[in-house]
Amino acid sequence: GQSLEQPSEVTAVEGAIVQINCTYQTSGFYGLSWYQQHDGGAPTFLSYNALDGLEETGRFSSFLSRSDSYGYLLLQELQMKDSASYFCAGPSNTGKLIFGQGTTLQVKP
Amino acid sequence: DAGVIQSPRHEVTEMGQEVTLRCKPISGHDYLFWYRQTMMRGLELLIYFNNNVPIDDSGMPEDRFSAKMPNASFSTLKIQPSEPRDSAVYFCASSGQGVGYGYTFGSGTRLTVV
Repeated sequence: GQSLEQPSEVTAVEGAIVQINCTYQTSGFYGLSWYQQHDGGAPTFLSYNALDGLEETGRFSSFLSRSDSYGYLLLQELQMKDSASYFCAGPSNTGKLIFGQGTTLQVKP
Repeated sequence: DAGVIQSPRHEVTEMGQEVTLRCKPISGHDYLFWYRQTMMRGLELLIYFNNNVPIDDSGMPEDRFSAKMPNASFSTLKIQPSEPRDSAVYFCASSGQGVGYGYTFGSGTRLTVV
């Protein structure tokens, strides 16, 4: 089967760095994506790692190790507006995207 | 671009009634996905289409659910008859940038079945 595991909750203070891990068990995943969802909103695309290594986009970075079936999302210089749920997702080469259960990030002042 | 457009935004219906959710994907996107989100089950993929053809409907919970994509700019998800356990937020998403990139979600339809 296909599944992605991530912590349910993470708390950090404003200005800090936080890492959200994601491990997956599957065959056929074609990289790892990350999405952000604020309360009452729709998931929005953050990043996609097709290959091993680190991808950086502003304050956010994402890492993938396909041999370890592991990835993480790194958020730097946390801001209050970063409080949201973060989902890792595995896209198959047929276009199907399966989501993890999501990690709720609470940023405190 | 107006993004992925879903209607209605909110739907309250009585158990046993038929419910139809609508989605207009981003023009040029060749993949369309229907997801359901609940606190208990998270984001579940129900069905997805490629070039208007259903590719995988293994996530559709039961025969009460059906989805169609008659053309590249419109899709529907129908529940008949609806039950209280169908209450959830239903998202439509589209993609056209290749595997993994830029899946764009609509604002969702919050369905309440009483």
